[in-house]
Amino acid sequence: QKEVEQDPGPLSVPEGAIVSLNCTYSNSAFQYFMWYRQYSRKGPELLMYTYSSGNKEDGRFTAQVDKSSKYISLFIRDSQPSDSATYLCAGGELTGGGNKLTFGTGTQLKVEL
Amino acid sequence: DVKVTQSSRYLVKRTGEKVFLECVQDMDHENMFWYRQDPGLGLRLIYFSYDVKMKEKGDIPEGYSVSREKKERFSLILESASTNQTSMYLCASSSGRLGNSPLHFGNGTRLTVT
Repeated sequence: QKEVEQDPGPLSVPEGAIVSLNCTYSNSAFQYFMWYRQYSRKGPELLMYTYSSGNKEDGRFTAQVDKSSKYISLFIRDSQPSDSATYLCAGGELTGGGNKLTFGTGTQLKVEL
Repeated sequence: DVKVTQSSRYLVKRTGEKVFLECVQDMDHENMFWYRQDPGLGLRLIYFSYDVKMKEKGDIPEGYSVSREKKERFSLILESASTNQTSMYLCASSSGRLGNSPLHFGNGTRLTVT
């Protein structure tokens, strides 16, 4: 079993839809979680970063963590064609020497006009 | 803005060749990483370094080595390239020693080994 599981998609939604992207994880040592967005032929870029259970909002994006069920989500409101990308979730441990993130395989999202 | 630069976007090498992938970051970050990204497998950590001349094995170090002679530069070496090393290679950097800083990625090197 992978430490971080993510549905690969592709997920296709109409412009303006609310998108829900989800991951489950198995490693109880994860203390923080990140969402990265990766456009085609580009490296991943950080989108959201959360430590604790609960919600964190940044513009149209909301990251949600439920540590009791080991479930993390990213919600995108009013989705735009420019949101079309692959979204990677990741869990991290505080190790004191560099950081060791474990990534999901990514969900491909397509927002259509 | 942090910039992580990988020297080549596309590389084609023959089986058995020694391959060098170079990565440079311009933000004085302590930590640097090499990942490979494959469909269905996601991002997997090959090696990382949290200081000059320091290196740590990641999850899949077999067949690879690294070099970090200067803080800003982290090289990935394939001693004898094999076809199963055909992949997208991503370099990343981050600051701090606590381990919770975001990773800043380069745009990747797509390596094909024939």
